Amino acid sequence: AQSVTQLDSHVSVSEGTPVLLRCNYSSSYSPSLFWYVQHPNKGLQLLLKYTSAATLVKGINGFEAEFKKSETSFHLTKPSAHMSDAAEYFCVVSDYPGEAAGNKLTFGGGTRVLVKP
Amino acid sequence: NAGVTQTPKFRVLKTGQSMTLLCAQDMNHEYMYWYRQDPGMGLRLIHYSVGEGTTAKGEVPDGYNVSRLKKQNFLLGLESAAPSQTSVYFCASSYGGLAYYEQYFGPGTRLTVT
Repeated sequence: AQSVTQLDSHVSVSEGTPVLLRCNYSSSYSPSLFWYVQHPNKGLQLLLKYTSAATLVKGINGFEAEFKKSETSFHLTKPSAHMSDAAEYFCVVSDYPGEAAGNKLTFGGGTRVLVKP
Repeated sequence: NAGVTQTPKFRVLKTGQSMTLLCAQDMNHEYMYWYRQDPGMGLRLIHYSVGEGTTAKGEVPDGYNVSRLKKQNFLLGLESAAPSQTSVYFCASSYGGLAYYEQYFGPGTRLTVT
């Protein structure tokens, strides 16, 4: 079975300072891992994904994440926060091995990011 | 190219009423999914479909039914709404079923059951 834990439900940062969102996962297989962002009253948008290639993954809007198998972590970072980064972020794992099973995603509880001017 | 669209955007139901949520995608994706989002719980899979004419249960299927009569549409039905079904519902689609295929999400339907 797969599961995801986002270690912070809320993160507050000042504009221009680094952002760190923490995610730990458990998986029975070799997982694929994703970060999605949800702006208020909007749908989810994919920020980046890890699918067993490079362990450091770069995404959109300056975000990146590092897959650390030994720590079962997939933390999301950004060097300098912007006001537009205020949103909710979801860490997601998928490890179903068979295509017939569908790409069933397991979501973390979300981290709400507040950016202060 | 509209991507994934959902109808309606908002709905208020009384307990016991029924309704159908419509999801449509124009990307020729085989796989479609229905999720519900509740505060602090992320998204949970209700039902999914791996192709036209097929459906399967997800993590929280009770109280919901689905149909995939056309490849581009995936319908979610509530036969007798309950207050516990108050939630935001998201539809998604993907080209394939393997983990590295990105799921594309619609804008959501906010449902309140009183």
